[in-house]
Amino acid sequence: NAGVTQTPKFRVLKTGQSMTLLCAQDMNHEYMYWYRQDPGMGLRLIHYSVGEGTTAKGEVPDGYNVSRLKKQNFLLGLESAAPSQTSVYFCASSSRTGSSGANVLTFGAGSRLTVL
Amino acid sequence: AQSVTQPDIHITVSEGASLELRCNYSYGATPYLFWYVQSPGQGLQLLLKYFSGDTLVQGIKGFEAEFKRSQSSFNLRKPSVHWSDAAEYFCAVRDTGGFKTIFGAGTRLFVKA
Repeated sequence: NAGVTQTPKFRVLKTGQSMTLLCAQDMNHEYMYWYRQDPGMGLRLIHYSVGEGTTAKGEVPDGYNVSRLKKQNFLLGLESAAPSQTSVYFCASSSRTGSSGANVLTFGAGSRLTVL
Repeated sequence: AQSVTQPDIHITVSEGASLELRCNYSYGATPYLFWYVQSPGQGLQLLLKYFSGDTLVQGIKGFEAEFKRSQSSFNLRKPSVHWSDAAEYFCAVRDTGGFKTIFGAGTRLFVKA
């Protein structure tokens, strides 16, 4: 079982460059999330999606865009990377609220992004 | 707004000693509460969860947590720590009708021989 797969695992960018992080899940989960993890700050929600074609802002959405064209994929884009976006990014998914196993997040292994 | 506070940034315990990690949450109704663990270089893994019912919940790897509504707390405990428990632990809360899970800042556990 693959679970949640993130690509790439590591990336170094220069300020102003753009990139896309890909998250794929094979559990048929309805909800998908992007978090960033910074030392001493835990995980902060960037954007999330409750279904194909829908996205919403989390706590720290500025500088990021997302798309969910297919149920199993959730893309996180940085249009013009800044050093403040240096972080470890985690994708997570969960089943719909109320269903069995609901509300438990399954995480990917993370993507470490450095912006110079 | 919901929030989660983990007062201890890091804790060091001796192998075989007991462990308690503190977590306080802010939420109006009965929340869904979680503890996740993150080993170095890994994603987060669920340790245990509380949705309703018995306020003492058991999780994997011998961990347990107790929900105390009066104290808005959900502390994690283990009676005897093993060296492999060294990791970072996150408390999290999710509102019962919503979609978002909010995490605390985490507590890093060090285990000494």
